[in-house]
Parts: sequence; structure tokens; C-alpha cells
Amino acid sequence: AQKVTQAQTEISVVEKEDVTLDCVYETRDTTYYLFWYKQPPSGELVFLIRRNSFDEQNEISGRYSWNFQKSTSSFNFTITASQVVDSAVYFCALSEAPGGSYIPTFGRGTSLIVHP
Amino acid sequence: GAGVSQTPSNKVTEKGKYVELRCDPISGHTALYWYRQSLGQGPEFLIYFQGTGAADDSGLPNDRFFAVRPEGSVSTLKIQRTERGDSAVYLCASSLRLAGGAGTGELFFGEGSRLTVL
Repeated sequence: AQKVTQAQTEISVVEKEDVTLDCVYETRDTTYYLFWYKQPPSGELVFLIRRNSFDEQNEISGRYSWNFQKSTSSFNFTITASQVVDSAVYFCALSEAPGGSYIPTFGRGTSLIVHP
Repeated sequence: GAGVSQTPSNKVTEKGKYVELRCDPISGHTALYWYRQSLGQGPEFLIYFQGTGAADDSGLPNDRFFAVRPEGSVSTLKIQRTERGDSAVYLCASSLRLAGGAGTGELFFGEGSRLTVL
């Protein structure tokens, strides 16, 4: 069974601080996909990134970066120079491939509050 | 609009009543998912459609919950004899199935239908 753990329930930072959101996953498959979604107060989940299990390269997109480490089963998300608009709940998700159903399993989410 | 549309956005009902929630996916998306999200929790999988058929309904909590997608587009989630514990936000998502049948693409979510059972 697949499982995603986001141990941080809530993080509070001041604008311009860097913040890292942790995600640890469990899977028996060697092929799988990891995702991050953002859920702003409006409620609609917004896709941020997908990473497959064969690609451990870190990725950077503007102020966002992701650190995928298979050795520790982690897929952490860092926001550099946080802004108030980054305030949202962030979800990590895991989707298993061959033998699995590709249905994403979500973590409980981390609520990020960025104060001005 | 171009996104996933869900109606109603809010539904208040009384315990024991029947409820229908509608999802209109992005045009051309063959995969459709229903999730349920309770306060402070992540989305919890309910059912997944590939085309008209339910490919995986293992997340439906009991036989009071049922979903259909008769023409492979719009889907309706049906809840019979609602209970207070059914109160949650019901999320619908769609995705474009990739070549080879792999459903590894990102899901596009609607804004959800907030169900309150009194």
C-alpha cells in the first residue's frame, strides 16, 4: 500500500524567509510518481510538479525547488523568499505505476502561513 | 469555462435525504476522479472512471455512495440516506490519459462541492 506522510501540520514564517515543506512516502513499487499540489483559500487544488521515480534530478522553478531523494524516500519542497501569496495548504501525493492504479494518494497537507 | 466545473458549490441537507453532486470535467479528459476532503485532511480517494466505466471504486465508504458517468463526460456522485459524517468537501478531478494507458498525468481539480448534513 502506498502512503504519504507530511509531518508538518502548520508552518508560520515571515515574508522573505525560506521555507521547506517535508514529504516522506512509502511504496513497494520501483516505478511511481510524486506530486505537489497547492490549495489556496479558494479551495481548488493547483498542480505544481510531477516527478517520476527514475528522475532524481532536483528541479527549480522560480522561487520553488524540489529535492527528491530515493534513499530517504523524501520529496521535499522549498519556497525561497516566501511571499504572502504563498499562504496555502500544500499537499504531497504519490501515484504507483505497474501493478498499481495510478490513483494519487495524498498526504494530510501542510498549512503555510506567510506573514507580511 | 475550460476548467473542471462542480455543482452545487454548497449543499445543505438533512440527515436521511438523498443528494446528487455533479462534475463536468475538462473536455477531452477521459479519466475522472472523485475525492472527499474533510476539514484539516488531505483528499481521500472515492472512485475513478476511465471513460464510462468505474475502473476503481475501492474508496467508496459504503453502499450509500454511488457514482455514474453514462456518456464518459459528466459524472454524478449520488449519496443515499445521508449521515452527518458525510459532511465534507467533495472534489472532482479529471486528467488526460497518457499514451500506453498510463494515468500518470496531473489531475485538474474543480473547486469542490461542500456538503453539510444537519
